[in-house]
Amino acid sequence: GAVVSQHPSRVICKSGTSVKIECRSLDFQATTMFWYRQFPKQSLMLMATSNEGSKATYEQGVEKDKFLINHASLTLSTLTVTSAHPEDSSFYICSARDQRWAYQPQHFGDGTRLSIL
Amino acid sequence: AQTVTQSQPEMSVQEAETVTLSCTYDTSESDYYLFWYKQPPSRQMILVIRQEAYKQQNATENRFSVNFQKAAKSFSLKISDSQLGDAAMYFCAYRGSGNTPLVFGKGTRLSVIA
Repeated sequence: GAVVSQHPSRVICKSGTSVKIECRSLDFQATTMFWYRQFPKQSLMLMATSNEGSKATYEQGVEKDKFLINHASLTLSTLTVTSAHPEDSSFYICSARDQRWAYQPQHFGDGTRLSIL
Repeated sequence: AQTVTQSQPEMSVQEAETVTLSCTYDTSESDYYLFWYKQPPSRQMILVIRQEAYKQQNATENRFSVNFQKAAKSFSLKISDSQLGDAAMYFCAYRGSGNTPLVFGKGTRLSVIA
C-alpha cells in the first residue's frame, strides 16, 4: 500500500485562488520531505526541501512567497500555491523516505494535477 | 553538483524481447544510491530497482536488472521478456549520502509493441 499520501489529486480553480496540497508519510516519520514539479513530458524538477520545525529550503528560481511550505509535524508537509495563476498549472508531487535506514528509497505521493483557469 | 544523463529520449521493444535503457551520472561522492523509477500515464512514480554504490553485485528484481559500472559511472536498466504493461516513462535517479533529494535524468519513454 501507499506509504506517502498526497491530497488532493486534482484541483481546478480560478485565477487568484490559493491552493493547499498535503503530503503525509503513513508508515514512518519524515523530518524532511521534498516537493517536485513536473511539466508535461518532462522530468521532475525539485522545488524545495521541507524541513520539520524549520524553514523550507527552496531551489534557485522558485519563489518562496508563491509556494509556501509548512512542515508542522513529522508526518505532514503542506505546499500552498498562493494567488495562483494559469502559469502555475502543473503536476506537483511530493516524496519522503524513512530516514532510519540509509538504503531506503524515496516514496512518492500520487501527485496533484493543478489547473488554474 | 551531481547530474544524471539519459541519452535515449525514446525506445521501443517488441513484446517478449529484451531492452536496455542507458543512464550515466556524474558525482564526486563515493557513497551514493541509484534508482530506476517507472512513471506510467497515471503519473505515479513506481520504484523499479535500486543499487547501493558500495555493492559490486548488480541488483535484480524479477525481469528487471541493472548493469552498474561504478568506474564508468554508468547504470543501465535491462528489461527482459518485455510486457505491454512495461510501457511507461523511465527515470534514472541519483541520491547522495545523507538526507538529500533525488536527482533525476530527463527520462526515456519506452513503448512496447505487441
